[in-house]
Amino acid sequence: GAGVSQTPSNKVTEKGKYVELRCDPISGHTALYWYRQSLGQGPEFLIYFQGTGAADDSGLPNDRFFAVRPEGSVSTLKIQRTERGDSAVYLCASSLWAPLGTGAASFGSGTRLTVV
Amino acid sequence: GQQVMQIPQYQHVQEGEDFTTYCNSSTTLSNIQWYKQRPGGHPVFLIQLVKSGEVKKQKRLTFQFGEAKKNSSLHITATQTTDVGTYFCAGSDTNAGKSTFGDGTTLTVKP
Repeated sequence: GAGVSQTPSNKVTEKGKYVELRCDPISGHTALYWYRQSLGQGPEFLIYFQGTGAADDSGLPNDRFFAVRPEGSVSTLKIQRTERGDSAVYLCASSLWAPLGTGAASFGSGTRLTVV
Repeated sequence: GQQVMQIPQYQHVQEGEDFTTYCNSSTTLSNIQWYKQRPGGHPVFLIQLVKSGEVKKQKRLTFQFGEAKKNSSLHITATQTTDVGTYFCAGSDTNAGKSTFGDGTTLTVKP
């Protein structure tokens, strides 16, 4: 079946601009996660949705970052007034609700964001 | 906040040699997952460990979760060139939600 789909795969934007990154999770997966990964590092947690609600947004760096999942499926990560330090690969993952943890999360191929 | 550390950062082995990566958490974990990321790719889920002292095997891969649920290891027996990539552990200190990733161990295998 289809995996987690992220669009665009690459995004170059100018400093100060607004960007939206989209994630289509695996059908039926109620849990959705956003991470970002810089070169040579592990993925860094940003936000976690269970259904439509943000169950944990403690990883969002500041109020320029916002994410929504209005119908409990597709999610959009929104970054306002982008800065060069926001450049990274933004990864989305989804999983079935697992009472004992995140379970087998399936990652998308990511969006490589470059702020120039 | 929770920190997850992995060692070594890099490991170079000759094909056929064994490989082990270690993961240590600053806090007691509810569960730990292991992922593999090939160069240019995205993390791919390998396994999740939940119980204290748990050991799971997948062919040549053996995963262990420490008795105190603060450390874990991944051991690969007789490495092959297809094993190259970066291996990440990711720990969660709650029963659901976010996982904190280590910075990974990058394995290269010389044929």
